Amino acid sequence: GQQLNQSPQSMFIQEGEDVSMNCTSSSIFNTWLWYKQDPGEGPVLLIALYKAGELTSNGRLTAQFGITRKDSFLNISASIPSDVGIYFCAGRETSGSRLTFGEGTQLTVNP
Amino acid sequence: EAQVTQNPRYLITVTGKKLTVTCSQNMNHEYMSWYRQDPGLGLRQIYYSMNVEVTDKGDVPEGYKVSRKEKRNFPLILESPSPNQTSLYFCASSLFQGMANVLTFGAGSRLTVL
Repeated sequence: GQQLNQSPQSMFIQEGEDVSMNCTSSSIFNTWLWYKQDPGEGPVLLIALYKAGELTSNGRLTAQFGITRKDSFLNISASIPSDVGIYFCAGRETSGSRLTFGEGTQLTVNP
Repeated sequence: EAQVTQNPRYLITVTGKKLTVTCSQNMNHEYMSWYRQDPGLGLRQIYYSMNVEVTDKGDVPEGYKVSRKEKRNFPLILESPSPNQTSLYFCASSLFQGMANVLTFGAGSRLTVL
Protein backbone atom coordinates (compact mmCIF):
# COMPACT_ATOMS: atom_id res chain seq x y z
CA GLY A 1 0.00 0.00 0.00
CA GLN A 2 0.96 3.56 -0.58
CA GLN A 3 2.59 5.55 2.20
CA LEU A 4 2.27 9.27 2.44
CA ASN A 5 5.43 11.31 2.94
CA GLN A 6 5.03 13.40 6.05
CA SER A 7 7.57 15.93 7.25
CA PRO A 8 9.23 16.77 9.43
CA GLN A 9 9.54 13.53 11.39
CA SER A 10 10.04 15.45 14.63
CA MET A 11 10.06 19.01 15.89
CA PHE A 12 11.34 20.57 19.08
CA ILE A 13 9.99 24.07 19.64
CA GLN A 14 9.54 26.65 22.36
CA GLU A 15 6.14 27.47 23.75
CA GLY A 16 4.57 30.29 21.76
CA GLU A 17 6.19 29.39 18.45
CA ASP A 18 4.22 28.54 15.34
CA VAL A 19 4.51 25.08 13.81
CA SER A 20 4.05 23.82 10.28
CA MET A 21 4.02 20.26 8.97
CA ASN A 22 2.99 18.79 5.65
CA CYS A 23 2.18 15.65 3.72
CA THR A 24 2.70 14.81 0.08
CA SER A 25 1.44 11.99 -2.06
CA SER A 26 2.25 10.68 -5.51
CA SER A 27 -1.48 10.13 -6.07
CA ILE A 28 -4.37 12.55 -6.20
CA PHE A 29 -6.47 12.44 -3.06
CA ASN A 30 -10.04 13.56 -2.55
CA THR A 31 -9.88 13.58 1.25
CA TRP A 32 -7.21 14.76 3.65
CA LEU A 33 -7.46 14.26 7.40
CA TRP A 34 -5.24 15.39 10.24
CA TYR A 35 -5.14 13.44 13.50
CA LYS A 36 -3.34 14.02 16.79
CA GLN A 37 -2.20 11.23 19.08
CA ASP A 38 -1.60 12.11 22.71
CA PRO A 39 0.85 9.92 24.64
CA GLY A 40 -0.85 6.65 25.59
CA GLU A 41 -3.96 7.35 23.55
CA GLY A 42 -5.37 6.66 20.12
CA PRO A 43 -5.38 9.26 17.32
CA VAL A 44 -8.14 11.85 17.47
CA LEU A 45 -9.41 13.74 14.44
CA LEU A 46 -8.41 17.41 14.31
CA ILE A 47 -9.46 18.60 10.86
CA ALA A 48 -11.07 17.03 7.78
CA LEU A 49 -10.65 18.48 4.28
CA TYR A 50 -12.72 17.46 1.27
CA LYS A 51 -12.09 20.02 -1.49
CA ALA A 52 -8.94 21.15 -3.29
CA GLY A 53 -7.88 24.56 -1.98
CA GLU A 54 -10.01 24.22 1.13
CA LEU A 55 -8.60 26.03 4.16
CA THR A 56 -10.10 25.04 7.51
CA SER A 57 -9.37 26.21 11.04
CA ASN A 58 -10.01 24.60 14.40
CA GLY A 59 -8.90 27.01 17.11
CA ARG A 60 -5.17 27.55 16.75
CA LEU A 61 -4.96 24.87 14.07
CA THR A 62 -5.27 25.55 10.35
CA ALA A 63 -5.07 22.98 7.60
CA GLN A 64 -5.22 23.25 3.84
CA PHE A 65 -6.02 20.83 1.04
CA GLY A 66 -3.43 21.53 -1.66
CA ILE A 67 -4.54 22.78 -5.07
CA THR A 68 -2.77 19.88 -6.80
CA ARG A 69 -4.69 17.47 -4.49
CA LYS A 70 -1.39 15.78 -3.76
CA ASP A 71 -0.50 17.61 -0.58
CA SER A 72 -1.80 19.10 2.62
CA PHE A 73 -0.33 21.12 5.45
CA LEU A 74 -1.17 21.71 9.09
CA ASN A 75 -0.20 24.85 10.99
CA ILE A 76 -0.37 25.33 14.73
CA SER A 77 -0.10 28.90 15.96
CA ALA A 78 1.20 30.02 19.35
CA SER A 79 2.02 26.49 20.54
CA ILE A 80 1.37 25.43 24.12
CA PRO A 81 2.69 22.46 26.11
CA SER A 82 -0.49 20.41 25.57
CA ASP A 83 0.17 20.46 21.81
CA VAL A 84 2.78 17.76 22.46
CA GLY A 85 2.03 14.53 20.63
CA ILE A 86 2.24 12.81 17.28
CA TYR A 87 0.40 14.39 14.36
CA PHE A 88 -0.69 12.16 11.50
CA CYS A 89 -1.96 13.10 8.10
CA ALA A 90 -4.22 10.64 6.29
CA GLY A 91 -5.57 10.64 2.78
CA ARG A 92 -8.09 8.81 0.66
CA GLU A 93 -7.80 8.49 -3.14
CA THR A 94 -11.42 7.85 -3.98
CA SER A 95 -14.68 7.87 -2.07
CA GLY A 96 -14.55 4.14 -1.49
CA SER A 97 -10.88 3.56 -0.88
CA ARG A 98 -9.08 3.05 2.38
CA LEU A 99 -7.25 5.71 4.31
CA THR A 100 -3.48 5.87 3.96
CA PHE A 101 -1.54 7.37 6.85
CA GLY A 102 1.64 9.39 6.94
CA GLU A 103 4.56 8.41 9.14
CA GLY A 104 3.70 11.01 11.77
CA THR A 105 5.33 14.16 13.13
CA GLN A 106 6.44 14.00 16.76
CA LEU A 107 6.01 17.45 18.30
CA THR A 108 7.74 18.50 21.52
CA VAL A 109 6.96 21.87 23.06
CA ASN A 110 9.34 23.23 25.67
CA PRO A 111 7.73 25.52 28.25
CA GLU B 1 -20.27 7.60 25.57
CA ALA B 2 -19.51 6.75 21.95
CA GLN B 3 -16.25 4.87 21.86
CA VAL B 4 -14.05 2.09 20.57
CA THR B 5 -12.83 -0.20 23.36
CA GLN B 6 -9.78 -2.43 23.06
CA ASN B 7 -8.54 -5.10 25.45
CA PRO B 8 -6.00 -5.73 26.75
CA ARG B 9 -4.26 -2.36 26.79
CA TYR B 10 -0.92 -3.98 27.55
CA LEU B 11 0.24 -7.55 27.01
CA ILE B 12 3.56 -9.33 27.23
CA THR B 13 3.59 -12.82 25.77
CA VAL B 14 5.98 -15.39 24.37
CA THR B 15 6.57 -16.57 20.84
CA GLY B 16 3.94 -19.02 19.63
CA LYS B 17 1.34 -18.46 22.33
CA LYS B 18 -1.96 -17.64 20.65
CA LEU B 19 -3.59 -14.41 21.71
CA THR B 20 -6.64 -12.33 20.86
CA VAL B 21 -7.03 -8.57 21.13
CA THR B 22 -10.67 -7.63 21.38
CA CYS B 23 -12.28 -4.55 19.88
CA SER B 24 -15.81 -3.35 20.46
CA GLN B 25 -17.64 -0.22 19.30
CA ASN B 26 -20.99 1.12 20.51
CA MET B 27 -21.74 3.46 17.60
CA ASN B 28 -23.42 0.96 15.25
CA HIS B 29 -20.57 1.48 12.78
CA GLU B 30 -20.39 -0.78 9.77
CA TYR B 31 -16.70 -0.30 9.03
CA MET B 32 -13.99 -1.51 11.41
CA SER B 33 -10.25 -1.77 10.98
CA TRP B 34 -7.03 -2.79 12.72
CA TYR B 35 -3.76 -0.88 12.46
CA ARG B 36 -0.31 -1.34 13.86
CA GLN B 37 1.90 1.60 14.74
CA ASP B 38 5.66 1.31 14.58
CA PRO B 39 8.25 4.10 14.93
CA GLY B 40 8.92 5.82 11.62
CA LEU B 41 6.27 3.80 9.80
CA GLY B 42 3.10 5.51 10.92
CA LEU B 43 -0.14 3.54 10.99
CA ARG B 44 -0.32 0.51 8.74
CA GLN B 45 -3.58 -1.30 8.13
CA ILE B 46 -3.70 -4.99 9.02
CA TYR B 47 -7.28 -6.01 8.23
CA TYR B 48 -10.58 -4.28 7.77
CA SER B 49 -14.26 -5.17 7.67
CA MET B 50 -16.95 -3.44 5.69
CA ASN B 51 -19.76 -5.20 7.56
CA VAL B 52 -20.69 -8.39 9.39
CA GLU B 53 -19.00 -11.44 7.84
CA VAL B 54 -17.12 -9.21 5.37
CA THR B 55 -13.39 -8.90 6.03
CA ASP B 56 -10.41 -8.11 3.83
CA LYS B 57 -6.65 -7.80 4.04
CA GLY B 58 -4.96 -4.49 4.57
CA ASP B 59 -1.34 -3.68 3.88
CA VAL B 60 0.31 -5.95 6.47
CA PRO B 61 -2.00 -8.95 7.11
CA GLU B 62 0.64 -11.67 7.49
CA GLY B 63 0.48 -13.42 10.85
CA TYR B 64 -2.95 -12.06 11.76
CA LYS B 65 -6.55 -13.19 11.53
CA VAL B 66 -9.80 -11.39 12.19
CA SER B 67 -13.47 -12.20 12.41
CA ARG B 68 -16.65 -10.13 12.27
CA LYS B 69 -19.51 -12.25 13.58
CA GLU B 70 -21.31 -9.29 15.13
CA LYS B 71 -21.44 -5.67 14.06
CA ARG B 72 -19.95 -4.29 17.26
CA ASN B 73 -16.98 -6.67 17.65
CA PHE B 74 -13.85 -7.12 15.54
CA PRO B 75 -11.22 -9.22 17.33
CA LEU B 76 -7.62 -9.46 16.12
CA ILE B 77 -6.11 -12.92 16.45
CA LEU B 78 -2.42 -13.79 16.50
CA GLU B 79 -2.32 -17.56 16.09
CA SER B 80 1.42 -17.87 16.65
CA PRO B 81 2.91 -14.52 17.66
CA SER B 82 6.49 -13.69 16.75
CA PRO B 83 8.77 -10.92 18.03
CA ASN B 84 8.26 -8.87 14.85
CA GLN B 85 4.63 -8.49 15.90
CA THR B 86 5.70 -6.46 18.91
CA SER B 87 3.90 -3.21 18.26
CA LEU B 88 1.17 -0.80 19.27
CA TYR B 89 -2.17 -1.87 17.84
CA PHE B 90 -5.20 0.30 17.20
CA CYS B 91 -8.73 -0.64 16.36
CA ALA B 92 -10.86 1.96 14.58
CA SER B 93 -14.36 2.26 13.22
CA SER B 94 -16.49 4.53 11.07
CA LEU B 95 -20.10 4.56 9.96
CA PHE B 96 -19.10 3.47 6.47
CA GLN B 97 -15.90 3.37 4.45
CA GLY B 98 -16.31 6.48 2.45
CA MET B 99 -15.18 10.00 1.78
CA ALA B 100 -17.12 11.78 4.47
CA ASN B 101 -16.67 9.15 7.12
CA VAL B 102 -13.77 9.59 9.50
CA LEU B 103 -12.29 6.95 11.75
CA THR B 104 -12.73 6.83 15.52
CA PHE B 105 -9.81 5.07 17.20
CA GLY B 106 -9.51 3.01 20.33
CA ALA B 107 -6.88 3.82 22.96
CA GLY B 108 -4.44 1.20 21.70
CA SER B 109 -3.04 -2.14 22.80
CA ARG B 110 0.68 -2.41 23.35
CA LEU B 111 1.87 -5.93 22.62
CA THR B 112 5.32 -7.30 23.38
CA VAL B 113 6.27 -10.74 22.06
CA LEU B 114 9.39 -12.23 23.69
